Amino acid sequence: GAVVSQHPSWVICKSGTSVKIECRSLDFQATTMFWYRQFPKQSLMLMATSNEGSKATYEQGVEKDKFLINHASLTLSTLTVTSAHPEDSSFYICSARTGFGNQPQHFGDGTRLSIL
Amino acid sequence: EDKVVQSPLSLVVHEGDTVTLNCSYEVTNFRSLLWYKQEKKAPTFLFMLTSSGIEKKSGRLSSILDKKELFSILNITATQTGDSAVYLCAPGEFQGAQKLVFGQGTRLTINP
Repeated sequence: GAVVSQHPSWVICKSGTSVKIECRSLDFQATTMFWYRQFPKQSLMLMATSNEGSKATYEQGVEKDKFLINHASLTLSTLTVTSAHPEDSSFYICSARTGFGNQPQHFGDGTRLSIL
Repeated sequence: EDKVVQSPLSLVVHEGDTVTLNCSYEVTNFRSLLWYKQEKKAPTFLFMLTSSGIEKKSGRLSSILDKKELFSILNITATQTGDSAVYLCAPGEFQGAQKLVFGQGTRLTINP
């Protein structure tokens, strides 16, 4: 149980392109989803938290107009990197947790984004 | 400012050895501490610790939390090559946003 699917796993695109990443909870309802960014050999840095049906809460220093997050249903959240540039190249990972009880976050397999 | 420090940052041992990974933290609104294992892709959940002094076990892995000293350890006995991974400690702020604050991880390498 507690499977989180993230798609795509890898994307390469040109500078200026917008890229959408999907995060789905397959066997549970995710009231809260999180988006992280991870640079090589570094830990996970939280970008934003989204609760189903409401606006995402962004961490300090994360541009909300750059990283658009939508959490329209209990099983799907999307992260759109708008007008991506090479410095946006990174490993993006989503996680999801149910709102019932003290439950852990479960992670997707991540998306490696390379901007040329 | 929230702070999580894991040690050692890197550890190389032989198969069959026992290892202890350390995590110290300073997190506001602390409720639980989670351990994750990260291989090539995303982290997989190992343990959630909420109470001090109660050991959690899963096979050869065990973990314990000391809320007074703000410290947790993860033990792995009779290590196997499949235990090679980065182990992440993440104390959780469970108020409002319910966020995890990740440490930089311990990179564990098990040599045959």
